[in-house]
Amino acid sequence: GNSVTQMEGPVTLSEEAFLTINCTYTATGYPSLFWYVQYPGEGLQLLLKATKADDKGSNKGFEATYRKETTSFHLEKGSVQVSDSAVYFCALRANNAGNMLTFGGGTRLMVKP
Amino acid sequence: EPEVTQTPSHQVTQMGQEVILRCVPISNHLYFYWYRQILGQKVEFLVSFYNNEISEKSEIFDDQFSVERPDGSNFTLKIRSTKLEDSAMYFCASSDARSQLGTQYFGPGTRLLVL
Repeated sequence: GNSVTQMEGPVTLSEEAFLTINCTYTATGYPSLFWYVQYPGEGLQLLLKATKADDKGSNKGFEATYRKETTSFHLEKGSVQVSDSAVYFCALRANNAGNMLTFGGGTRLMVKP
Repeated sequence: EPEVTQTPSHQVTQMGQEVILRCVPISNHLYFYWYRQILGQKVEFLVSFYNNEISEKSEIFDDQFSVERPDGSNFTLKIRSTKLEDSAMYFCASSDARSQLGTQYFGPGTRLLVL
């Protein structure tokens, strides 16, 4: 079946540090890939997405590239801020699974001033 | 910016009781979803709903669960007889009508605790 694996947290960084959160997936065909972010007390917000291999999604300084050869969609940011502290979820929507999203377990990021 | 809203934010109930979780999707959206996240586990898909009927459901969504769009704005999830293992955060989501595969926008969730 379809699955998403992401690195366990929490990830603790100092402000302006480089961020990588790893995400790998298992799916048949060519899924669409997403990163969602959940700030404290809020719902899941779409951060970025990529719908085909080699696409790069980007938003708010975050980037992720759809790598089919490594089945990965790692999230990166060059310089994190305290306001980036949140839980980040990697997700896929498989072509053979209608509209349902399959999520990873989430990674909590804590950025210290 | 339009957003999905959910009520209540927290609900505590006794095992065996019925609960109804409410969601107001974004107004021009026609596809609706429920997901849940048991504490410490992954967000899991429950059900999707379009044109007044269920379009997909997971194996979690058994006969104890039902969904309804009772009017033009609300989308509800009913659990008929709650079990301890139903304790979770329940998220509603909606996506627009331009494409069945449109981006899903999530609400803040309802935290359900079954005692």
